[in-house]
Amino acid sequence: ETAVFQTPNYHVTQVGNEVSFNCKQTLGHDTMYWYKQDSKKLLKIMFSYNNKQLIVNETVPRRFSPQSSDKAHLNLRIKSVEPEDSAVYLCASSPTGLANSDYTFGSGTRLLVI
Amino acid sequence: GDSVTQTEGLVTLTKGLPVMLNCTYQTTYSPFLFWYVQHLNEAPKLLLKSSTDNKRTEHQGFYATLHKSSSSFHLQKSSVQLSDSALYFCALSDMGYKLTFGTGTSLLVDP
Repeated sequence: ETAVFQTPNYHVTQVGNEVSFNCKQTLGHDTMYWYKQDSKKLLKIMFSYNNKQLIVNETVPRRFSPQSSDKAHLNLRIKSVEPEDSAVYLCASSPTGLANSDYTFGSGTRLLVI
Repeated sequence: GDSVTQTEGLVTLTKGLPVMLNCTYQTTYSPFLFWYVQHLNEAPKLLLKSSTDNKRTEHQGFYATLHKSSSSFHLQKSSVQLSDSALYFCALSDMGYKLTFGTGTSLLVDP
């Protein structure tokens, strides 16, 4: 099956802890993304990578750090979580980074910070 | 910077009626416009896209026409079904490497 796979599906943690989310795509795409979907369902770009290279780094707190070992993997680490980090984190990929590229999204990782 | 505006937060309709979900945008460059649909607890999925002015694009019974003169890309369907109940996002890309999404419109179809 070709798709975008995210783990874990759900994670509950306490304020100040470190968390890591994994994303893998088996579509052969060159470009991968992290989006944050908040409680109002707003979708905001966090990072985009093209063939392991960071391309877009939006205004994201420094405690967030993406990591890409190859073009099929893009992970996200949050060093010291805060309550406002509670959200669904959606990973996506596209064939290229061009403006007409279609995105394929993963099912998301739901983070709850207590 | 780029922005996408979706004015309706929630649209409630009876099955079989037509629907139009509004989308307007602002950008300095020539954009690609997209509609993504997200069913409950699922990933957003591409519904349709366009970059051609005044040309209607269709998919799965939905259609939209990009009008650059009014910076609009409204989504329409002539007869909604129960399965169309979902969250619909309009999105824009111009320079690539990111999609800018609107705030989304929830469509709720009653029997």
